[in-house]
Amino acid sequence: SQTIHQWPATLVQPVGSPLSLECTVEGTSNPNLYWYRQAAGRGLQLLFYSVGIGQISSEVPQNLSASRPQDRQFILSSKKLLLSDSGFYLCAWSVRGFSDGYTFGSGTRLTVV
Amino acid sequence: AQSVAQPEDQVNVAEGNPLTVKCTYSVSGNPYLFWYVQYPNRGLQFLLKYITGDNLVKGSYGFEAEFNKSQTSFHLKKPSALVSDSALYFCAVSPLKAASGGSYIPTFGRGTSLIVHP
Repeated sequence: SQTIHQWPATLVQPVGSPLSLECTVEGTSNPNLYWYRQAAGRGLQLLFYSVGIGQISSEVPQNLSASRPQDRQFILSSKKLLLSDSGFYLCAWSVRGFSDGYTFGSGTRLTVV
Repeated sequence: AQSVAQPEDQVNVAEGNPLTVKCTYSVSGNPYLFWYVQYPNRGLQFLLKYITGDNLVKGSYGFEAEFNKSQTSFHLKKPSALVSDSALYFCAVSPLKAASGGSYIPTFGRGTSLIVHP
């Protein structure tokens, strides 16, 4: 069966420090991968998505970047965190045809102080 | 462009009563429609989906949703609410055909907070 792992679960980082959040998927090949941010426990903002290794699409300009070094690995990064980067970050994957929708990771609560 | 509306920020219902969480959508062509549930500080969990077939879709935890093409709605329902159903519910829509480049980018509603009172 397919599983998605996202870590860490919580993270407190000072302003100006770097960030690396990792997401890996098991039990499937060639998934579509996504990073979302959820602010204030409500709406989801799509940050990045990837349809293949090295292929990253960004939905909004921001202080973050994403990389997909392997088929089932998706990394969210920042060189220098801002206070406004605080939030709940969710990784998700879907099959190519999206017929089964998303499977989400358990999320990372990032607090920038 | 596709869109999803969840007109209620919050729905309150007494335990044992039926519940409805509303969702309307706009998409070109036929849609994929989904409901997800999110508990505090957790990822979203899949509840049910509509792709084709019967308009009434049954999902996890006793939830069901009714697809109404003429009203472009996909309301989530449960005959008898439980306190443990209290959570944030998201409706999402995706087109059946991929956008250029092969990506499917669904659109999520803003979420509806369901509160079930004992």
